[in-house]
Amino acid sequence: QAALSQPPYVSGSPGQSVTISCAGTSSDVGGYNRVSWYQQSPGTAPKFLIYEVNYRPSGVPDRFSGSKSGNTASLTISGLQAEDDADYYCSSYTSKNSVVFGGGTKLTVL
Amino acid sequence: VQLVESGGGLVQPGRSLRLSCVASGYNFDDYAMHWVRQVPGKGLEWVSGISWNSGTIDYAESVRGRFTISRDNAKNSLYLQMNSLRPEDTALYYCARDIYLDHPWDAFNIWGQGTMVTVSS
Repeated sequence: QAALSQPPYVSGSPGQSVTISCAGTSSDVGGYNRVSWYQQSPGTAPKFLIYEVNYRPSGVPDRFSGSKSGNTASLTISGLQAEDDADYYCSSYTSKNSVVFGGGTKLTVL
Repeated sequence: VQLVESGGGLVQPGRSLRLSCVASGYNFDDYAMHWVRQVPGKGLEWVSGISWNSGTIDYAESVRGRFTISRDNAKNSLYLQMNSLRPEDTALYYCARDIYLDHPWDAFNIWGQGTMVTVSS
């Protein structure tokens, strides 16, 4: 199962908005609403951000939002803050009863 | 709510290793569980998942036939038996809790700190 495709790097200034894309196929992202997003800071375990495309677990700021169109999911972070500087990963359930992650995106807050 | 992995270490190619993950702070048998690995400096890779009652088990193609996932709900524990290890299995192995108890696998809302497995001669 090939990894979902994410841009390796994105950046933005504090207060701005950034969007990270996650491109898959009809066998994963496009076929299911089981798309999730995770944030990972250096030396720590991933943190759960978004599930089922656009649901935020309690405790995650509403600056984080998810969406999906066709085979591509997106994570938008609005009102960027310094602590958002991290790696972000998408994941999706697949038609092979597996889970596939994206390659990850390094967000730099300028 | 906490997951604590153990069992990692340095092992020669072709040998075996068994990872464990102990859960605390919640009803272990209410959720499916997974193993996810990460080569240091690289991305995440899902390895395997198991439903709440072990009735549904899935593996990534890269480990199918070599790795076996299991759980003991009485001991609040998840396991990964890794056989025929290869250098490309070198990674930090995380156990993670699903938000649901069975298929289809969904999101992972609780993660352990990981245990490092190094396969080298």
